[in-house]
Formats: sequence, C-alpha cells, structure tokens
Amino acid sequence: KNQVEQSPQSLIILEGKNCTLQCNYTVSPFSNLRWYKQDTGRGPVSLTIMTFSENTKSNGRYTATLDADTKQSSLHITASQLSDSASYICVVSGSPPGGGADGLTFGKGTHLIIQP
Amino acid sequence: DAGVIQSPRHEVTEMGQEVTLRCKPISGHDYLFWYRQTMMRGLELLIYFNNNVPIDDSGMPEDRFSAKMPNASFSTLKIQPSEPRDSAVYFCASSLATPNTGELFFGEGSRLTVL
Repeated sequence: KNQVEQSPQSLIILEGKNCTLQCNYTVSPFSNLRWYKQDTGRGPVSLTIMTFSENTKSNGRYTATLDADTKQSSLHITASQLSDSASYICVVSGSPPGGGADGLTFGKGTHLIIQP
Repeated sequence: DAGVIQSPRHEVTEMGQEVTLRCKPISGHDYLFWYRQTMMRGLELLIYFNNNVPIDDSGMPEDRFSAKMPNASFSTLKIQPSEPRDSAVYFCASSLATPNTGELFFGEGSRLTVL
C-alpha cells in the first residue's frame, strides 16, 4: 500500500532557529515529491516539486532534499520567522496505479509553531 | 488571475439538510479536484474532472455525495442528506496538467459543520 509518513507530527521552535521536517514514503513507481505549506484556515500552497533526478531544491529559506534510494525527503527551514507557523504537507506522486486515483499520496502533515 | 475560488467559506447546517459547495477553477486549467481534509485522515481525494468530465469518483464516500461540472469555470459538490460525520474542510483544486505531473492550486476551502 502506498504511504507517506511525516515526522514529527508537531514541532515548536523559537523564532530565528532552524528546523528540519521529515517525509518517508513507500509510493511506487515514483514520479515526483511535493511540499506544501498550509496556513491555518487557508488552502495548501506549493513550496517545491522534486523529480527523481533532483536531490535538492530551494525556495527562499526553504530547502527540500530528496533521496530516492532510501525514499526519504526533508524540508529544512532556515532562520525561522513567525510567518512560518503552519502545517507542512508532503505529497508523493506516482505514475498510475501508484498513489490515489489522482496519482497522489498525501502525508498528514507536520504542524510547526514558531514562538517569538 | 484570482486563483481557485470557493464558496461558501463556512457553512453550518443541521443533519439531514442539503449542502452545496461551489468552486471556480483557474481559467485555462483542464483538471479540477475535490478534496476533503480532516484531522484524522488528512487530505483525501473525492473526485476529479478533466475537461468537465468526471474521471474518477472512487473517493466519494457514498451516494449522498455528488459532484458536477457543467462548464469549464464552475463545479459543485453536493451532500444530501448531510450527516455530522461529513463535518470537514472541503477543498477544490485545479491543475493545468495530469494529476501526477501538474502543480495543484488549491482554493481556500469550505469549512462544513453539520450539527
């Protein structure tokens, strides 16, 4: 069964500190991996999309890594800001029949709180 | 473009009532998706359309749920009759390309509470 596991479930850090969120998946075959940021009461917004051949991808203070061999990804946030408080959702895309009907398997997210 | 537009943002209703959620996708996007999000299960695909045609509705929980896309700029998700366990946030998303390759653009969601 295709699965995406994220850890930790929740995390609290002080403003200005760095943090790393983890995503492990079992989706096969693999097409790409996405990280979404979801602010409270808002819809998810794409941060990065990584294909099999990409090991690292940055978007401002967000850096995603992908190890397709171990089926692991991480999202590193540098110099955290209060606005980084959100849920971060890992989504793995597999060519049909991998993943859901849309080819996507969603993690349940990591809830990140940045404290001043 | 204004992005994916959903209405209403919040809906509180009583068990047994009909609920209709609405979505306007981004112009030019050929794919439209309806998702449901709960704390327990996260985001789950309910149904998706390609060029206004339903492609897969295997995620629709039961016959009480139905979705339509009468034209390229409008879709509805209907629950009739509603039950308390339907309480969740319902998201509409659209995409230019196939689900597993195209970037998804989500609306702000419709938070449904069924009493």
